[in-house]
Amino acid sequence: KQEVTQIPAALSVPEGENLVLNCSFTDSAIYNLQWFRQDPGKGLTSLLLIQSSQREQTSGRLNASLDKSSGRSTLYIAASQPGDSATYLCAGGPYGNKLVFGAGTILRVKS
Amino acid sequence: DAGVTQSPTHLIKTRGQQVTLRCSPKSGHDTVSWYQQALGQGPQFIFQYYEEEERQRGNFPDRFSGHQFPNYSSELNVNALLLGDSALYLCASSFRRGDVNTEAFFGQGTRLTVV
Repeated sequence: KQEVTQIPAALSVPEGENLVLNCSFTDSAIYNLQWFRQDPGKGLTSLLLIQSSQREQTSGRLNASLDKSSGRSTLYIAASQPGDSATYLCAGGPYGNKLVFGAGTILRVKS
Repeated sequence: DAGVTQSPTHLIKTRGQQVTLRCSPKSGHDTVSWYQQALGQGPQFIFQYYEEEERQRGNFPDRFSGHQFPNYSSELNVNALLLGDSALYLCASSFRRGDVNTEAFFGQGTRLTVV
């Protein structure tokens, strides 16, 4: 059974700081690993998708890596901005058919 | 492209009642999955529909049922509502290639409150 853990549960940083969010999973038979952003009371916005044959993906100030052997993924946010404040969720699953989510990291970027 | 659309956005129901939530997938997608997200938690998988059939199901009771229509849109039905069913219900769509689904896109969710 796949279990996903996200550390830290909450993070507060000053604007401009670079930061790393961590995601660990118990079953290495993971197909896709997705990182999402969720604003309060809203749906999920897909940020980055890493397929099983890939090790990392980049989009703007975001970079996500995947290490299946260690069961870890990290999301790196460069030069954080107040607009980055949200909950960040990682999710994966076997063959990508069903996503198993972590509880998320609540990020607050202070101006 | 309208993306994934869900209706209604908010709903208040009384215990014991039944509710139907609706989802239209992103253009070109043929698979719809439903998730329940309680406050402060990550979404939990309810079930997935492909080719108008339920293909996978999470750990949810039979009170939760669904349907997928020929145009790929989907409904989630919950019978005999309990206070604990209060949550944000999220719909995700993707495209199925063989046994694998592509990147999932989510709608804005339906906030269900049971009183």
